[in-house]
Amino acid sequence: KNQVEQSPQSLIILEGKNCTLQCNYTVSPFSNLRWYKQDTGRGPVSLTIMTFSENTKSNGRYTATLDADTKQSSLHITASQLSDSASYICVVSHSYGGATNKLIFGTGTLLAVQP
Amino acid sequence: DGGITQSPKYLFRKEGQNVTLSCEQNLNHDAMYWYRQDPGQGLRLIYYSQIVNDFQKGDIAEGYSVSREKKESFPLTVTSAQKNPTAFYLCASSPKGGGVFYGYTFGSGTRLTVV
Repeated sequence: KNQVEQSPQSLIILEGKNCTLQCNYTVSPFSNLRWYKQDTGRGPVSLTIMTFSENTKSNGRYTATLDADTKQSSLHITASQLSDSASYICVVSHSYGGATNKLIFGTGTLLAVQP
Repeated sequence: DGGITQSPKYLFRKEGQNVTLSCEQNLNHDAMYWYRQDPGQGLRLIYYSQIVNDFQKGDIAEGYSVSREKKESFPLTVTSAQKNPTAFYLCASSPKGGGVFYGYTFGSGTRLTVV
């Protein structure tokens, strides 16, 4: 069964600290993996997209890693800010022929950054 | 600025009533999608459309209907047949092909509540 599991479910950190969020998936065949940030009551916003050949991709203070062999990804946030408080969703694209893809969503990690 | 506009932001539905959620995009994207988000669950696909006048059922289409008469618009109707409609609904769009190398762009969502 194609699944995306994220850990931890929730996380509280102090402003300025770093944190790492985890994503494990069983999706096959794999096309790409995306990390989204979703503020409360808003739509998700894309942070990174990685194909199987990419190991690391950065977007400012956000760095995503991908190990396609172990089917694991992580999102590292450096020097956290209060505005980083949000849900972070890992999404794996399931390729089933041609240019058609289906997205499998994780349930998200809820991050709270405290002053 | 290009983007996706969902309206209304909040919607209340009485038992047995049909309601329509609006989704408009000016990104010139070919594909559009409707997702449902419930607490503790990943986003689930309701319907998607890859071209005008064509759409396909997603994983949870029962009790919903859509139309795609214009490239820019993809309204979702929640019918009285949907027994548990209370949820956060997200509309998204992507370039043709499901966004293999491109991110999906999400709207800001509509929160539907049954009263």
